[in-house]
Amino acid sequence: QATLEESGPALVKPTQTLTLTCTLSGFSVSTTSMRVSWLRQPPGKALEWLARVDWDDEKFYNTSLRTRLTISKDTSKNLVVLTMTDLDPADTGTYYCARAPNRGEAFDSWGQGTPVTVSS
Amino acid sequence: SYVLTQPPSVSVAPGKTATIPCGGNSIGNKRVHWYQQKPGQAPVLVISYGNDRPSGIPERFSGSNSGNTATLTISRVEVGDEADYYCQVWDRDSKHYVFGPGTKVTVL
Repeated sequence: QATLEESGPALVKPTQTLTLTCTLSGFSVSTTSMRVSWLRQPPGKALEWLARVDWDDEKFYNTSLRTRLTISKDTSKNLVVLTMTDLDPADTGTYYCARAPNRGEAFDSWGQGTPVTVSS
Repeated sequence: SYVLTQPPSVSVAPGKTATIPCGGNSIGNKRVHWYQQKPGQAPVLVISYGNDRPSGIPERFSGSNSGNTATLTISRVEVGDEADYYCQVWDRDSKHYVFGPGTKVTVL
């Protein structure tokens, strides 16, 4: 059974950098055709995709946030890390990691999400 | 970039059929995926690649897609189906995952 678990700080000050970790179990991030993404959801709003890393280390980013995001994977620890710089209160929300295996278009497993508040 | 539209809300009586539209330019040429999200929970994939149901999803959930509209249909609606529903596509041109704004389904 595939599981994903997000971890990171619940409170971040404006202009600071956020680092979130997604720990994977039941599958490997290095398995051919495996893709892991980070997404977020502001309170009461829709889902927004942020970034994706593939089994072969190819990376994709939401163009609107590209300059602030870095995604990476650690195959030895089977985890995926997202860093987001220059945080703003508008970045407040729940952050999810999710996997999209095989054809890579649908997210078939999600973490439970980690809430992040940006406030001074 | 590609844009998806959804009505903010849909209301349906128990036992009836709910239809949730998702609009997009020539969306019929794309593979559409649907997620159910209940309050305080992570999204759950209910329909993938147009009309595939993941393991554990009831047969009451089905999808269709043609022209400029994809549709999620929930037959014999139950109170437990109350949730927000999001459509999603992978846009090959921009290499982005795109989500619709979501539709809140209320079971009256």
